Amino acid sequence: GENVEQHPSTLSVQEGDSAVIKCTYSDSASNYFPWYKQELGKGPQLIIDIRSNVGEKKDQRIAVTLNKTAKHFSLHITETQPEDSAVYFCAPSTGGTSYGKLTFGQGTILTVHP
Amino acid sequence: DSGVTQTPKHLITATGQRVTLRCSPRSGDLSVYWYQQSLDQGLQFLIQYYNGEERAKGNILERFSAQQFPDLHSELNLSSLELGDSALYFCASSVVGTDYNEQFFGPGTRLTVL
Repeated sequence: GENVEQHPSTLSVQEGDSAVIKCTYSDSASNYFPWYKQELGKGPQLIIDIRSNVGEKKDQRIAVTLNKTAKHFSLHITETQPEDSAVYFCAPSTGGTSYGKLTFGQGTILTVHP
Repeated sequence: DSGVTQTPKHLITATGQRVTLRCSPRSGDLSVYWYQQSLDQGLQFLIQYYNGEERAKGNILERFSAQQFPDLHSELNLSSLELGDSALYFCASSVVGTDYNEQFFGPGTRLTVL
């Protein structure tokens, strides 16, 4: 099965700084790479995703980059704000007989200090 | 609000008991996924249904079962409950349930087994 590792496990930044979280996966058949944000007491919320035929995708202050050769993808948050504080999960997915099930990383606790 | 609803929000029960968790997917979504989130195991995929049929199974215990009804809502049944079953249970839905499918998560059911 897919092995997913996420680093760092905790990240503390000052408001306005950038944050980068890296996710490494093992299954070369993975073809869909989403990032989820989970706030306390809530379900995971999809914030950005990328497909295997694309190297980078940006949505305002959030971007995701994919390196399929090295089997890792990263979440980049620029100009961080206190409301970005949450747990972030990567969750690569493989199609085929896995039918799109997500394999979650261990999570990164991001704290943005005002 | 993702459009996925889950009931109940909280459930407290005793060891050996049986409970049913309910999920209503987003309007138009045919696929439902169940995930378990615990401190020691993280977020883990349990089972997926697509248009009433079981599609994929993850680390789901034999004591657990699920089904998806003709109106597309889904139920997760947990029986012979043990202390270790205490966790957050999330339902997610997606349009198709194959490759590249964004999954939208509900708010979860917190199960406490005493």
